[in-house]
Amino acid sequence: DQQVKQNSPSLSVQEGRISILNCDYTNSMFDYFLWYKKYPAEGPTFLISISSIKDKNEDGRFTVFLNKSAKHLSLHIVPSQPGDSAVYFCAASEENYGQNFVFGPGTRLSVLP
Amino acid sequence: GAGVSQSPSNKVTEKGKDVELRCDPISGHTALYWYRQSLGQGLEFLIYFQGNSAPDKSGLPSDRFSAERTGGSVSTLTIQRTQQEDSAVYLCASSRTGKNTQYFGPGTRLLVL
Repeated sequence: DQQVKQNSPSLSVQEGRISILNCDYTNSMFDYFLWYKKYPAEGPTFLISISSIKDKNEDGRFTVFLNKSAKHLSLHIVPSQPGDSAVYFCAASEENYGQNFVFGPGTRLSVLP
Repeated sequence: GAGVSQSPSNKVTEKGKDVELRCDPISGHTALYWYRQSLGQGLEFLIYFQGNSAPDKSGLPSDRFSAERTGGSVSTLTIQRTQQEDSAVYLCASSRTGKNTQYFGPGTRLLVL
């Protein structure tokens, strides 16, 4: 049973528009969440994180929103750029339980020029 | 080095052979993780090291998989008697402590024929 779900395997967005990537989780003990971006043939790179004490974290064009009651988080990229085209992984962990980060299956974002 | 390095970058082996994958974490990072990504799948957690000890081995898929870390630095992941289903990209990540952002290496692409 997947504890972290990214139900959209792919997403296409026009350059300049907003990209919204969604992530749902089932484990209510998760309280720390991260987004990673992965280009082909490279390892994932960290984008942005959020702790459960917050409901929003912003870093430049990237904003992550957390809705704990819905067990849902989303990554907003605005404005989207062609270089943002990559696979985006959502990951979650319990702060107080080891360091087992559970990753979602990823969403492939294509930003069209 | 500047980042996490992994070797080899690619490995082709025959079913039944043993393989050893190496990870060099970022200098000073005490936490080290191994993941694998099978084709079309998300990242699957394998094992986590804090220093030389592995408090969480919950993700190792079978007793054919083992990992060690020496000197709080380099780690090796060994797969004995490889099977075709072991074919995947094996990713290593490190972080300053277990509660920090993980930095990933480029991965080792393993193909078992």
